[in-house]
Amino acid sequence: DVKVTQSSRYLVKRTGEKVFLECVQDMDHENMFWYRQDPGLGLRLIYFSYDVKMKEKGDIPEGYSVSREKKERFSLILESASTNQTSMYLCASLTPEQGSEQFFGPGTRLTVL
Amino acid sequence: AQKITQTQPGMFVQEKEAVTLDCTYDTSDPSYGLFWYKQPSSGEMIFLIYQGSYDQQNATEGRYSLNFQKARKSANLVISASQLGDSAMYFCAMRDFPSSNTGKLIFGQGTTLQVKP
Repeated sequence: DVKVTQSSRYLVKRTGEKVFLECVQDMDHENMFWYRQDPGLGLRLIYFSYDVKMKEKGDIPEGYSVSREKKERFSLILESASTNQTSMYLCASLTPEQGSEQFFGPGTRLTVL
Repeated sequence: AQKITQTQPGMFVQEKEAVTLDCTYDTSDPSYGLFWYKQPSSGEMIFLIYQGSYDQQNATEGRYSLNFQKARKSANLVISASQLGDSAMYFCAMRDFPSSNTGKLIFGQGTTLQVKP
């Protein structure tokens, strides 16, 4: 059974803290993605990676960075958390064949106080 | 620029009836794919159905079917015989297939469906 796991379901952090969100997939997928989900806005792409150590900015990369040191793991980093980064964060992975769907993790609901 | 629009923020349907969730899209690429995902209150995203731009027939998966009208740029999801477990948020998404083929998806705003007993 394919699986994408995220390190936490719920996280509460303080403004200014450095925050790490971890995502691991066991499907040997090349591509991994980080999205944030906000009411009325759907899912928006923050960053994605198409290979180890390779990354590209998505639509809303400001305030975030990522790391992909191993194929199965993709980390999202909030260098200095702010209240406007309170959101649901979803990780996904896929093998980029036509028609293949993205597999999503369970999500991390982050609250920044 | 690519865009996905879901104009129904919320929908109600009576149990056992059919319901259509609307999705329109905009792209200049001739090769693209359309996806529907379901997100229950627990938060995980569940893939439901896929339609490729060159597919001749509308996609079907069990009680889910996709009403694909290419000229109108619409890809509506039809759920037949609604069940209480269908209550969730539904997202339409699009992916194009350029040479880079990153697999990126663009999502609509989502539609919340509530099934009444």
